[in-house]
Amino acid sequence: NAGVMQNPRHLVRRRGQEARLRCSPMKGHSHVYWYRQLPEEGLKFMVYLQKENIIDESGMPKERFSAEFPKEGPSILRIQQVVRGDSAAYFCASSLAGTGGIAGNTIYFGEGSWLTVV
Amino acid sequence: DQQVKQNSPSLSVQEGRISILNCDYTNSMFDYFLWYKKYPAEGPTFLISISSIKDKNEDGRFTVFLNKSAKHLSLHIVPSQPGDSAVYFCAPWGTNAGKSTFGDGTTLTVKP
Repeated sequence: NAGVMQNPRHLVRRRGQEARLRCSPMKGHSHVYWYRQLPEEGLKFMVYLQKENIIDESGMPKERFSAEFPKEGPSILRIQQVVRGDSAAYFCASSLAGTGGIAGNTIYFGEGSWLTVV
Repeated sequence: DQQVKQNSPSLSVQEGRISILNCDYTNSMFDYFLWYKKYPAEGPTFLISISSIKDKNEDGRFTVFLNKSAKHLSLHIVPSQPGDSAVYFCAPWGTNAGKSTFGDGTTLTVKP
């Protein structure tokens, strides 16, 4: 999957705990996207970030979820006080540029982080 | 509001035959349409794209057709192979806010 690194690959949390998912984009990519795939559903957009900025968080639940992409280090998706319904696969993707219609621009996905809430 | 819809959740075809996966969209402002393929427990991988100024793009066994008047695109795989069995997502790509909204996906099963 072209170098987007996500960790952990699998994470188990008890209800009420915090989950932190990390994503290192491809080298040179400054745009990061987080998606969630619930069981039996397709990929759902959550948030789009550039370095130190949240560009679009319209797909992010209003409470308990937050995301950041600091100047240094990976992007972090943080879920506080997890509930069973948060159990899902969380995919990170990165692109060289945003979606300004640049020819041939595509986004590359990581392998995903599987969160299980027990 | 869902900007893309893949109305067939699943499709089953015989090896060697054609697979046709469909996608409908609502926003005419998208610049590109992308197709992704996803195997279980793996991340999606880019398959093929088409610019909104074209009506066809071909890459080996994969061809994507775009009908702008109908706001419809389709992915043709011919001949289909068992290794093509996966979930296929269509995603528009446009100038609005950097968000790429995927369809719900179509699970393709190619039988030997």
